[in-house]
Amino acid sequence: EPEVTQTPSHQVTQMGQEVILRCVPISNHLYFYWYRQILGQKVEFLVSFYNNEISEKSEIFDDQFSVERPDGSNFTLKIRSTKLEDSAMYFCASSQTGTGEDTQYFGPGTRLTVL
Amino acid sequence: DAKTTQPTSMDCAEGRAANLPCNHSTISGNEYVYWYRQIHSQGPQYIIHGLKNNETNEMASLIITEDRKSSTLILPHATLRDTAVYYCIVRALNNDMRFGAGTRLTVKP
Repeated sequence: EPEVTQTPSHQVTQMGQEVILRCVPISNHLYFYWYRQILGQKVEFLVSFYNNEISEKSEIFDDQFSVERPDGSNFTLKIRSTKLEDSAMYFCASSQTGTGEDTQYFGPGTRLTVL
Repeated sequence: DAKTTQPTSMDCAEGRAANLPCNHSTISGNEYVYWYRQIHSQGPQYIIHGLKNNETNEMASLIITEDRKSSTLILPHATLRDTAVYYCIVRALNNDMRFGAGTRLTVKP
């Protein structure tokens, strides 16, 4: 069964450093998403991406964040200058059509630790 | 904020059916009800979704009331591996998924 994959599984970085989290969505999917989950809190939507553009973003997704599909398979989330409060699990998801009936499938997540 | 209300926690005996309720009284006619679960800090796992009719798949059944204001996820024979946080999500037309706190289901031997 096709799966969303994410690398690395765990990233440790110093405050102020840039990090790039990588995702490989399911191959025939066209819509891509990033979510985050701070330890002990709920899963929060960050951004959705389609046709090389951001479709929607939450208030969390500020200028420090960017997303990119650099090639035909990867989808990345960049945090330019990490802060302590960016420590969280980051989940990538993908879906086929982006409609309300279309299921989003999630990857296993990247645990980001900012020191 | 999430448009759903779920109990904070529930217990279920292994081998018995687990019935997880969800209230979504403000749901619109074209919004779907989705259920996901999360085991520890793993990625949310899709379980099932529906619009008006009851749905069943290999994992679970989804019962949606006629007025669509509530639904119940049924795990017919719960196992210890079904211990997880279960999220009921009303899916907006813009495809945005808003997770609430979910129900922490503990399956006990």
